[in-house]
Amino acid sequence: EAGVAQSPRYKIIEKRQSVAFWCNPISGHATLYWYQQILGQGPKLLIQFQNNGVVDDSQLPKDRFSAERLKGVDSTLKIQPAKLEDSAVYLCASTPLRLAVFSYNEQFFGPGTRLTVL
Amino acid sequence: GIQVEQSPPDLILQEGANSTLRCNFSDSVNNLQWFHQNPWGQLINLFYIPSGTKQNGRLSATTVATERYSLLYISSSQTTDSGVYFCAVELGVGAGNMLTFGGGTRLMVKP
Repeated sequence: EAGVAQSPRYKIIEKRQSVAFWCNPISGHATLYWYQQILGQGPKLLIQFQNNGVVDDSQLPKDRFSAERLKGVDSTLKIQPAKLEDSAVYLCASTPLRLAVFSYNEQFFGPGTRLTVL
Repeated sequence: GIQVEQSPPDLILQEGANSTLRCNFSDSVNNLQWFHQNPWGQLINLFYIPSGTKQNGRLSATTVATERYSLLYISSSQTTDSGVYFCAVELGVGAGNMLTFGGGTRLMVKP
């Protein structure tokens, strides 16, 4: 079974430029997550999709970050314009559809995109 | 929000030594996962363990949900165990599988 795919693996941009990251979850996984991991910290959730709908985006800085999952499969995360503090690794994760409130599905992570903003 | 604290923050071991990593959380949780982040940044699932004890080779984990902590045991450590170990918790019912991560334990195993 193929894992979560992300691209690019590395990106270097100057502040105020735009950047986009792509994620393709594990086949059949309905739920997709984007996390931001700043150096030395644990990942922090930015946004969660279930199919093509947003479940939670309360921690997404919406003035500069946007994300979409138009067909309920792959997803794009965009930053426009980038700031120095956006330098981080952006991780994508996916899980199968949650069938019951008390059920839980392990999250599987992609390799991440390391963004450096100069 | 929920606080997830991991200890120790840094750990250096000689190859072959054993270690225990701890994760404390401040509220009731629905679920808990342990991850290993290798030096290339990949997060690898180790255990899904909301309660009880599980073992996988040289690794084992125990979660005591009523006392709000989890432990990860590494026995006979190897250099390939180096990296950062994270625990992550899901809050109670309705949290939508969203994980809150601790700050991690950075492990270096020396040959």
